[in-house]
Order: sequence, then C-alpha cells, then structure tokens
Amino acid sequence: AQTVTQSQPEMSVQEAETVTLSCTYDTSESDYYLFWYKQPPSRQMILVIRQEAYKQQNATENRFSVNFQKAAKSFSLKISDSQLGDAAMYFCAMDSNYQLIWGAGTKLIIKP
Amino acid sequence: AAGVIQSPRHLIKEKRETATLKCYPIPRHDTVYWYQQGPGQDPQFLISFYEKMQSDKGSIPDRFSAQQFSDYHSELNMSSLELGDSALYFCASSPPWGMNGYTFGSGTRLTVV
Repeated sequence: AQTVTQSQPEMSVQEAETVTLSCTYDTSESDYYLFWYKQPPSRQMILVIRQEAYKQQNATENRFSVNFQKAAKSFSLKISDSQLGDAAMYFCAMDSNYQLIWGAGTKLIIKP
Repeated sequence: AAGVIQSPRHLIKEKRETATLKCYPIPRHDTVYWYQQGPGQDPQFLISFYEKMQSDKGSIPDRFSAQQFSDYHSELNMSSLELGDSALYFCASSPPWGMNGYTFGSGTRLTVV
C-alpha cells in the first residue's frame, strides 16, 4: 500500500530560526512526485515545493528546501529564517501511480 | 484502519448534467473539507463543514452545493456541469478541535464530456 506519514502533529520554532518537518512515504513505484503544501487558515492548499523522484538534486525554493532521501523514502522540509507568515498546516503528499496520497499534516507554530 | 471513503472513484458525465459526490469521514471526525484539483493545478478549497454546519467557503461555484448529514458524511452536488469541472475532487476529514490529524480520501475523478 502507498502511504505518506508525517509523524509530527505539531512543531514550533522561534522566528528567524530554522525548522525541519518530517515526512516518510512508501511506494513500490520507481517514478513519482513528492510535494509539500502549506494550508493557511483560508484552507487553500499552496504548493511550497515539489520534487521529482528521478532527480537526485534536492529541490529548493527561496527559504524552503527539502532533504530527499530516496533509499530511505524520506522527504523532509526545511524552512530557514522562519517568518510569522509561515505559520500554517503543512502537508506532505505523493503522486504515485496516478494516486495522490496525503500525510496527516503538521501544524507549524512560529514564536515571535 | 478506517479511511476516508469517497464514491464513486470515477465518474463520466455530459455537459449540463448533474453529479453527486459522496465523502464518508473517519469515525468521530466532525469536520469535512472538499477540494477540487484540475490537471496540473494546486488543489482549490471548495467548502468545509463542522458538525453538519458550513464552516468555511472557498472557491465553490454557485452551481455546486454541499451538505453534511447527521452521520457526518458529506455530499457535493454539482449541476449544469461544464467541461472545466473535469477534475479530481477529494475530501478530507479532521477530528474535533484540539486534536490533530487530517485524513484524505482517494478522490473522485470527474470527467465531463
């Protein structure tokens, strides 16, 4: 079965510091896509970063970067220089075999 | 373990027809969210329900309506279907306030021809 696991229901970080959100997944497919989405109070899903499994290089978008460990099936999100606006739910998701599988989410709290 | 169940998995409708999508949340989850994801697009939040009442409204067209029933399952009704309504519709449920853990359904893939 294809699964995505976020083991941290909630994380908190001091403003301007760095935080890492964990995500592990399981799939038998060799080609798939991994995503991190941010869900602010508006409930909209905002794509933060996307990684293609066949690319070894870790994706980076400004202050957001991932640590993609394909053999370990791990896809963590690092947020550098945390800002108050980063506070939200973060979801890890996997697009594999034409299915979109979601993690349970991690609530990120930013302490001023 | 029980998951969020969505039915049907696939649906093909013609323009101007109606469609009803169903979502059965995790037991004891009291909140349901509906999302629409078009090809190559981010999921768009449509609407959510908490304890059978609408709690938040997103970009849901007027042609669509939804409700949550006494058993907490939810239905999304779509009328006057348009080609642009073709998308993956998925729902998620979450437990009572103060508890964490969203669970997403596998989605209903709607194709309007």
